[in-house]
Amino acid sequence: GENVEQHPSTLSVQEGDSAVIKCTYSDSASNYFPWYKQELGKGPQLIIDIRSNVGEKKDQRIAVTLNKTAKHFSLHITETQPEDSAVYFCAATERLGTYKYIFGTGTRLKVLA
Amino acid sequence: NAGVTQTPKFQVLKTGQSMTLQCAQDMNHEYMSWYRQDPGMGLRLIHYSVGAGITDQGEVPNGYNVSRSTTEDFPLRLLSAAPSQTSVYFCASSYRTGGRTEAFFGQGTRLTVV
Repeated sequence: GENVEQHPSTLSVQEGDSAVIKCTYSDSASNYFPWYKQELGKGPQLIIDIRSNVGEKKDQRIAVTLNKTAKHFSLHITETQPEDSAVYFCAATERLGTYKYIFGTGTRLKVLA
Repeated sequence: NAGVTQTPKFQVLKTGQSMTLQCAQDMNHEYMSWYRQDPGMGLRLIHYSVGAGITDQGEVPNGYNVSRSTTEDFPLRLLSAAPSQTSVYFCASSYRTGGRTEAFFGQGTRLTVV
């Protein structure tokens, strides 16, 4: 089955700097890669996603890149702000057309003012 | 907009007790799932359902039962609570469109088993 590894587990950046979180997956059949943000005391919320037929996707200050050959994908946050502080999870779907996610272990991002 | 509602938010159980975590969604999503979240281990799938009357096991199903009698409700039952089941539990409902799947999570239930 699918296995997703996520690094780093914690990340501290100065406000205004960029943050990068990386994930690798094992199953080449996985075709959809969402990123979720979890604020303290809340459930995770989808912030951006990418399908396997796309190499990069941007939404304002956040972007996701996908390298299918190397089986890794990354989340990029530019011009970080204190409200970006949260836990971020990457995920991969097990196989085509499934709802099932396999999540990474999470990255706690701290943006220092 | 209620979305996904989980009850209770906090619960303390004694070892061996049973209880049901409630989950309800008002978005008419077919797919619902339960995850547990433990430090350093991310979110692990316990059970899921692709529609009323259909359930299946996820990665860590032992010690838990589910049922799906309606589209809206997906309760998670702990049969005989153990300290290893101390965790934060999240229910999610999902929809799929255009090759994308978005999961909507509840606020979570923090369960402590003593």
